[in-house]
Amino acid sequence: AQSVSQHNHHVILSEAASLELGCNYSYGGTVNLFWYVQYPGQHLQLLLKYFSGDPLVKGIKGFEAEFIKSKFSFNLRKPSVQWSDTAEYFCALSPRGGYNKLIFGAGTRLAVHP
Amino acid sequence: NAGVTQTPKFRVLKTGQSMTLLCAQDMNHEYMYWYRQDPGMGLRLIHYSVGEGTTAKGEVPDGYNVSRLKKQNFLLGLESAAPSQTSVYFCASSPQGENQPQHFGDGTRLSIL
Repeated sequence: AQSVSQHNHHVILSEAASLELGCNYSYGGTVNLFWYVQYPGQHLQLLLKYFSGDPLVKGIKGFEAEFIKSKFSFNLRKPSVQWSDTAEYFCALSPRGGYNKLIFGAGTRLAVHP
Repeated sequence: NAGVTQTPKFRVLKTGQSMTLLCAQDMNHEYMYWYRQDPGMGLRLIHYSVGEGTTAKGEVPDGYNVSRLKKQNFLLGLESAAPSQTSVYFCASSPQGENQPQHFGDGTRLSIL
Protein backbone atom coordinates (compact mmCIF):
# COMPACT_ATOMS: atom_id res chain seq x y z
CA ALA A 1 0.00 0.00 0.00
CA GLN A 2 1.11 3.54 -0.68
CA SER A 3 1.46 5.76 2.36
CA VAL A 4 3.37 8.67 3.82
CA SER A 5 4.16 8.94 7.51
CA GLN A 6 5.18 12.14 9.25
CA HIS A 7 6.67 11.51 12.65
CA ASN A 8 5.76 14.68 14.47
CA HIS A 9 2.28 16.18 14.49
CA HIS A 10 3.22 19.29 16.47
CA VAL A 11 6.61 20.95 16.84
CA ILE A 12 7.36 24.05 18.90
CA LEU A 13 10.66 25.88 18.46
CA SER A 14 12.23 29.17 19.38
CA GLU A 15 13.55 31.46 16.68
CA ALA A 16 17.05 30.53 15.44
CA ALA A 17 16.61 26.89 16.45
CA SER A 18 17.31 24.19 13.89
CA LEU A 19 14.46 22.24 12.36
CA GLU A 20 14.18 18.68 11.13
CA LEU A 21 10.82 17.17 10.20
CA GLY A 22 10.71 13.47 9.52
CA CYS A 23 8.97 11.84 6.56
CA ASN A 24 8.93 8.18 5.61
CA TYR A 25 7.05 6.64 2.76
CA SER A 26 5.88 3.25 1.67
CA TYR A 27 5.71 2.47 -2.03
CA GLY A 28 7.04 -0.37 -4.13
CA GLY A 29 8.03 1.62 -7.19
CA THR A 30 9.72 4.84 -8.20
CA VAL A 31 8.34 8.00 -6.68
CA ASN A 32 8.63 11.73 -6.82
CA LEU A 33 8.72 13.39 -3.40
CA PHE A 34 7.52 16.78 -2.28
CA TRP A 35 7.27 19.05 0.71
CA TYR A 36 4.42 21.55 0.72
CA VAL A 37 3.80 24.32 3.26
CA GLN A 38 0.47 25.80 4.30
CA TYR A 39 0.65 29.15 6.08
CA PRO A 40 -2.35 30.02 8.27
CA GLY A 41 -5.40 30.67 6.11
CA GLN A 42 -3.56 30.10 2.85
CA HIS A 43 -3.33 27.43 0.19
CA LEU A 44 -0.55 24.87 -0.08
CA GLN A 45 2.68 26.07 -1.63
CA LEU A 46 5.53 23.96 -2.94
CA LEU A 47 8.65 24.12 -0.78
CA LEU A 48 10.82 21.68 -2.69
CA LYS A 49 10.71 18.52 -4.76
CA TYR A 50 12.86 15.50 -5.55
CA PHE A 51 12.61 13.66 -8.84
CA SER A 52 16.07 12.21 -9.43
CA GLY A 53 19.76 13.01 -9.18
CA ASP A 54 21.34 14.71 -6.17
CA PRO A 55 19.49 13.39 -3.11
CA LEU A 56 20.00 16.68 -1.28
CA VAL A 57 17.53 19.18 -2.66
CA LYS A 58 17.23 22.83 -1.82
CA GLY A 59 13.97 24.71 -1.81
CA ILE A 60 12.64 28.14 -1.09
CA LYS A 61 13.18 30.12 2.12
CA GLY A 62 16.31 28.21 3.14
CA PHE A 63 14.69 24.78 3.39
CA GLU A 64 16.36 21.62 2.20
CA ALA A 65 15.52 17.92 2.22
CA GLU A 66 17.51 14.74 1.84
CA PHE A 67 16.23 11.66 0.05
CA ILE A 68 17.61 8.45 1.57
CA LYS A 69 16.41 5.62 -0.60
CA SER A 70 17.53 2.84 1.73
CA LYS A 71 15.48 4.34 4.55
CA PHE A 72 12.51 5.41 2.42
CA SER A 73 12.89 8.83 3.98
CA PHE A 74 12.71 12.43 2.83
CA ASN A 75 13.35 14.61 5.87
CA LEU A 76 12.99 18.37 5.77
CA ARG A 77 15.59 20.62 7.40
CA LYS A 78 16.28 24.26 8.05
CA PRO A 79 19.33 25.45 10.04
CA SER A 80 17.65 28.43 11.67
CA VAL A 81 13.90 28.96 11.79
CA GLN A 82 12.07 32.28 11.88
CA TRP A 83 8.72 33.26 13.34
CA SER A 84 7.42 33.49 9.75
CA ASP A 85 8.03 29.74 9.33
CA THR A 86 5.03 29.05 11.55
CA ALA A 87 2.86 26.87 9.32
CA GLU A 88 1.78 23.33 8.62
CA TYR A 89 4.17 21.20 6.58
CA PHE A 90 3.11 18.29 4.41
CA CYS A 91 5.25 15.57 2.92
CA ALA A 92 3.82 13.93 -0.20
CA LEU A 93 4.70 11.33 -2.78
CA SER A 94 3.65 10.97 -6.37
CA PRO A 95 4.07 7.55 -7.99
CA ARG A 96 5.78 7.67 -11.35
CA GLY A 97 3.25 7.27 -14.12
CA GLY A 98 0.42 8.24 -11.80
CA TYR A 99 -0.71 11.49 -13.42
CA ASN A 100 1.08 13.49 -10.73
CA LYS A 101 -1.48 12.43 -8.11
CA LEU A 102 -0.28 13.12 -4.59
CA ILE A 103 -0.42 10.98 -1.46
CA PHE A 104 0.00 13.19 1.57
CA GLY A 105 1.21 12.63 5.08
CA ALA A 106 -0.90 13.87 7.98
CA GLY A 107 1.11 17.05 8.30
CA THR A 108 3.29 18.63 10.98
CA ARG A 109 2.16 21.82 12.61
CA LEU A 110 5.17 24.03 13.41
CA ALA A 111 4.96 26.94 15.82
CA VAL A 112 7.98 29.23 16.11
CA HIS A 113 8.12 31.54 19.11
CA PRO A 114 10.04 34.83 18.96
CA ASN B 1 -2.10 36.04 -12.24
CA ALA B 2 -5.08 34.12 -10.79
CA GLY B 3 -3.76 30.53 -10.94
CA VAL B 4 -6.37 28.23 -9.38
CA THR B 5 -9.59 29.86 -8.20
CA GLN B 6 -12.18 28.13 -6.05
CA THR B 7 -15.77 29.23 -5.57
CA PRO B 8 -17.27 29.62 -2.97
CA LYS B 9 -14.79 30.14 -0.12
CA PHE B 10 -17.25 29.22 2.62
CA ARG B 11 -20.58 27.44 2.69
CA VAL B 12 -22.91 25.98 5.28
CA LEU B 13 -25.36 23.30 4.21
CA LYS B 14 -28.04 21.26 5.85
CA THR B 15 -27.91 17.48 5.68
CA GLY B 16 -29.42 16.27 2.43
CA GLN B 17 -28.86 19.47 0.48
CA SER B 18 -26.86 19.46 -2.72
CA MET B 19 -24.23 21.85 -3.97
CA THR B 20 -21.44 22.24 -6.49
CA LEU B 21 -17.95 23.56 -5.86
CA LEU B 22 -16.28 25.24 -8.81
CA CYS B 23 -12.59 25.18 -9.62
CA ALA B 24 -11.13 27.24 -12.43
CA GLN B 25 -7.51 27.40 -13.58
CA ASP B 26 -5.98 29.77 -16.11
CA MET B 27 -2.66 27.98 -16.62
CA ASN B 28 -3.85 25.66 -19.42
CA HIS B 29 -3.10 22.64 -17.24
CA GLU B 30 -4.26 19.21 -18.40
CA TYR B 31 -4.60 17.59 -14.99
CA MET B 32 -6.94 18.70 -12.23
CA TYR B 33 -7.68 17.29 -8.77
CA TRP B 34 -10.03 17.61 -5.84
CA TYR B 35 -8.81 16.91 -2.31
CA ARG B 36 -10.37 17.13 1.10
CA GLN B 37 -8.38 18.17 4.16
CA ASP B 38 -9.35 16.90 7.58
CA PRO B 39 -7.51 17.47 10.88
CA GLY B 40 -4.77 14.92 11.48
CA MET B 41 -5.29 13.26 8.10
CA GLY B 42 -3.57 15.53 5.62
CA LEU B 43 -5.14 15.84 2.19
CA ARG B 44 -6.91 12.93 0.52
CA LEU B 45 -7.69 12.71 -3.17
CA ILE B 46 -11.40 12.58 -4.01
CA HIS B 47 -11.44 12.61 -7.83
CA TYR B 48 -9.14 13.74 -10.56
CA SER B 49 -9.15 14.46 -14.29
CA VAL B 50 -6.40 14.00 -16.86
CA GLY B 51 -8.11 16.02 -19.56
CA GLU B 52 -11.31 17.61 -20.75
CA GLY B 53 -14.18 15.14 -20.63
CA THR B 54 -12.34 12.64 -18.41
CA THR B 55 -12.67 11.91 -14.69
CA ALA B 56 -11.40 9.18 -12.38
CA LYS B 57 -11.85 8.15 -8.76
CA GLY B 58 -9.30 8.91 -6.11
CA GLU B 59 -8.89 7.59 -2.60
CA VAL B 60 -12.20 8.81 -1.11
CA PRO B 61 -14.74 9.24 -3.96
CA ASP B 62 -17.93 8.08 -2.25
CA GLY B 63 -20.64 10.73 -1.98
CA TYR B 64 -19.05 13.00 -4.59
CA ASN B 65 -19.34 13.43 -8.34
CA VAL B 66 -17.23 15.51 -10.70
CA SER B 67 -17.34 16.88 -14.21
CA ARG B 68 -14.76 18.40 -16.55
CA LEU B 69 -16.74 19.78 -19.46
CA LYS B 70 -14.17 22.49 -20.16
CA LYS B 71 -10.43 22.17 -19.78
CA GLN B 72 -10.18 25.09 -17.38
CA ASN B 73 -13.00 24.02 -15.04
CA PHE B 74 -13.39 21.08 -12.67
CA LEU B 75 -16.64 20.83 -10.72
CA LEU B 76 -17.17 18.86 -7.52
CA GLY B 77 -20.74 17.96 -6.62
CA LEU B 78 -22.34 16.75 -3.44
CA GLU B 79 -25.74 15.28 -4.31
CA SER B 80 -26.94 14.73 -0.74
CA ALA B 81 -24.63 16.32 1.81
CA ALA B 82 -23.78 14.45 5.02
CA PRO B 83 -22.09 15.74 8.20
CA SER B 84 -19.10 13.48 7.41
CA GLN B 85 -18.44 15.69 4.39
CA THR B 86 -17.69 18.70 6.58
CA SER B 87 -14.16 19.54 5.51
CA VAL B 88 -11.92 21.95 3.67
CA TYR B 89 -11.84 21.18 -0.04
CA PHE B 90 -8.84 22.02 -2.19
CA CYS B 91 -8.63 22.00 -5.94
CA ALA B 92 -5.30 21.67 -7.70
CA SER B 93 -3.96 21.48 -11.22
CA SER B 94 -0.75 20.39 -12.90
CA PRO B 95 0.68 20.33 -16.39
CA GLN B 96 0.71 17.09 -18.32
CA GLY B 97 3.80 14.92 -18.04
CA GLU B 98 5.97 13.50 -15.31
CA ASN B 99 7.64 15.48 -12.58
CA GLN B 100 5.13 18.29 -12.49
CA PRO B 101 4.14 19.77 -9.13
CA GLN B 102 0.55 20.66 -8.39
CA HIS B 103 -0.73 24.21 -7.94
CA PHE B 104 -3.43 24.64 -5.31
CA GLY B 105 -6.41 26.91 -4.86
CA ASP B 106 -7.25 28.71 -1.62
CA GLY B 107 -9.77 26.12 -0.49
CA THR B 108 -13.49 25.96 0.28
CA ARG B 109 -14.55 25.51 3.89
CA LEU B 110 -17.76 23.48 3.89
CA SER B 111 -19.87 22.75 6.96
CA ILE B 112 -22.76 20.30 6.91
CA LEU B 113 -25.21 20.65 9.77
